[in-house]
Amino acid sequence: AQSVTQLDSQVPVFEEAPVELRCNYSSSVSVYLFWYVQYPNQGLQLLLKYLSGSTLVKGINGFEAEFNKSQTSFHLRKPSVHISDTAEYFCAVSDSSYKLIFGSGTRLLVRP
Amino acid sequence: KAGVTQTPRYLIKTRGQQVTLSCSPISGHRSVSWYQQTPGQGLQFLFEYFSETQRNKGNFPGRFSGRQFSNSRSEMNVSTLELGDSALYLCASSKEVGTEAFFGQGTRLTVV
Repeated sequence: AQSVTQLDSQVPVFEEAPVELRCNYSSSVSVYLFWYVQYPNQGLQLLLKYLSGSTLVKGINGFEAEFNKSQTSFHLRKPSVHISDTAEYFCAVSDSSYKLIFGSGTRLLVRP
Repeated sequence: KAGVTQTPRYLIKTRGQQVTLSCSPISGHRSVSWYQQTPGQGLQFLFEYFSETQRNKGNFPGRFSGRQFSNSRSEMNVSTLELGDSALYLCASSKEVGTEAFFGQGTRLTVV
């Protein structure tokens, strides 16, 4: 069975500092990987996705992630965060059945 | 282009009642999935419909059911509500199965 582990429940960071949100997955088959962001009282917005090809994926709002098959990781990074990036971030995996399996989420708290 | 629309946004029901939630996908999208989000269990897959057929089902009791209409609109129904059914219910639509999922803002159900 597939699973997703987000190692940090909360990540505090100062504005304009870099940030990395960690995500590890377990799967015995080829997977598709996603990062979603959720603002308070909102649904989920797709930040970026890895389906195949280049392991470095660029998304919206300056975020990027790197797929590492040997380490089964898909960490999300941003070189300089803004106050408006404060939100909950979810890593997700899907396989050929296409249903999304989500991690428990990481709350990014950007401080001025 | 209108996004995924979920109605109602908020709902309060009493234990033992039943509830129906509605989801209108993005125009042209034929796949609709439902997820339950709670603080304790996180985001969990409920079911997925494509062209009026349920293709995938999560690990939820039979009290949770859904359907999809010929115009791709979907409804989910929860019968005999329990306090633990209190959650944010998210609907996502995709153009085809396995393509990018776009989420609605969700319906927040409170069972008292």
